[in-house]
Amino acid sequence: DIQMTQSPSSLSASVGDRVTITCRASQSISKFLNWYQQKPGKAPKLLIYAASSLQSGVPSRFSGSGSATDFTLTISSLQPEDFATYYCQQSSDTPYTFGQGTKLEIK
Amino acid sequence: EVQLLESGGGLVQPGGSLRLSCAASGFTFNIYAVTWVRQAQGKGLEWVSAISASGGSAYYADSVKGRFTISRDNARNTLYLQMNSVRVDDTAVYYCAKARHQSGYDYWGQGTLVTVSS
Repeated sequence: DIQMTQSPSSLSASVGDRVTITCRASQSISKFLNWYQQKPGKAPKLLIYAASSLQSGVPSRFSGSGSATDFTLTISSLQPEDFATYYCQQSSDTPYTFGQGTKLEIK
Repeated sequence: EVQLLESGGGLVQPGGSLRLSCAASGFTFNIYAVTWVRQAQGKGLEWVSAISASGGSAYYADSVKGRFTISRDNARNTLYLQMNSVRVDDTAVYYCAKARHQSGYDYWGQGTLVTVSS
């Protein structure tokens, strides 16, 4: 199985900050990498698919990059509604594993 | 509007069985793969199982292989997860989600809670 490792596991930041979360795959997954945002008690929401494509309706302050084994999610200017947990997921090969999550908290 | 509505969760004893359902609406169900993802309380997301649009191919996490069976009824726009020989560590909220052609899951249900306890 492909292992997905996110860093950091938690992050404190302020409104207006630029934030980057990284995700590393245990083997090459080309660009089959997706990012989700989850708020407490809610279902995950797809933000980025295929490493860098913005899902419809997602604000442009979210962006993704990377290929093969190393990927990043960047939020250019944090807004109050962005404080949540973020997950990467590979869709290259089943099982389509998730990273362990990165909890983004208000500083 | 795309909607996914899970049902069938509840309390089940270890070793018991449960069947989850996910009723889909607002999209052409029979042309999309669909999946089950679970989340234990306070933990991360765990991919459980997926099924192709036709139902001809099914995939499972090692943790549920041989115990859970995914299926779909395209005439009823419904996804199922038959859970047999359940264990305490199967306790979680189970979400169904619609795949966007190997590029993530773009619509999710609200989740149904499964609690395995004696």
